[in-house]
Amino acid sequence: AQKVTQAQTEISVVEKEDVTLDCVYETRDTTYYLFWYKQPPSGELVFLIRRNSFDEQNEISGRYSWNFQKSTSSFNFTITASQVVDSAVYFCALSEAVGGSEKLVFGKGTKLTVNP
Amino acid sequence: DVKVTQSSRYLVKRTGEKVFLECVQDMDHENMFWYRQDPGLGLRLIYFSYDVKMKEKGDIPEGYSVSREKKERFSLILESASTNQTSMYLCASSQAGRGNEAFFGQGTRLTVV
Repeated sequence: AQKVTQAQTEISVVEKEDVTLDCVYETRDTTYYLFWYKQPPSGELVFLIRRNSFDEQNEISGRYSWNFQKSTSSFNFTITASQVVDSAVYFCALSEAVGGSEKLVFGKGTKLTVNP
Repeated sequence: DVKVTQSSRYLVKRTGEKVFLECVQDMDHENMFWYRQDPGLGLRLIYFSYDVKMKEKGDIPEGYSVSREKKERFSLILESASTNQTSMYLCASSQAGRGNEAFFGQGTRLTVV
């Protein structure tokens, strides 16, 4: 079965520090997708990024970057120069094929607190 | 602006009541999902549907049922609410196929007393 592990339950940093959120996954599929979502205090999950299993290029978007390594089954997320607005719960998710569609399996989340 | 709307933000119900949580999406998505979020447990899938009138059990379906009579609407039903169903419930939708992101509603915080 698919599994996503986010070992860090809570992380607290001071503004402007860099922080990396870890995500390790297990799957038997050869084709799969990985996602990161952000859940701010308001509660609604917001999609951040998607990666497919054939694309191991790292991605950078502003202060956010993602490192996908199939060899270690990891898809880590780094925030550079963190800001208070980055405070949220972050979820990593893995797709699981169901018929012609799919569902997402989520990790337990990492709560990030950025202090001023 | 794409939207998934859950009928209530907060709900308080009594033990034994039948509870309906409603979710509507305006993106013409085929897939719809109900998750439950609890501290330390993350998001757990209750039920999902990939077509009208179709439903599939997720990881924790016990005590719940669902209804999808129209493409845009997916209802979660607690047949007889119990205190251990006090939780945050999240609805999501996505396009059919692989690799499509899910869009989430704002969540319903249900308290069963």
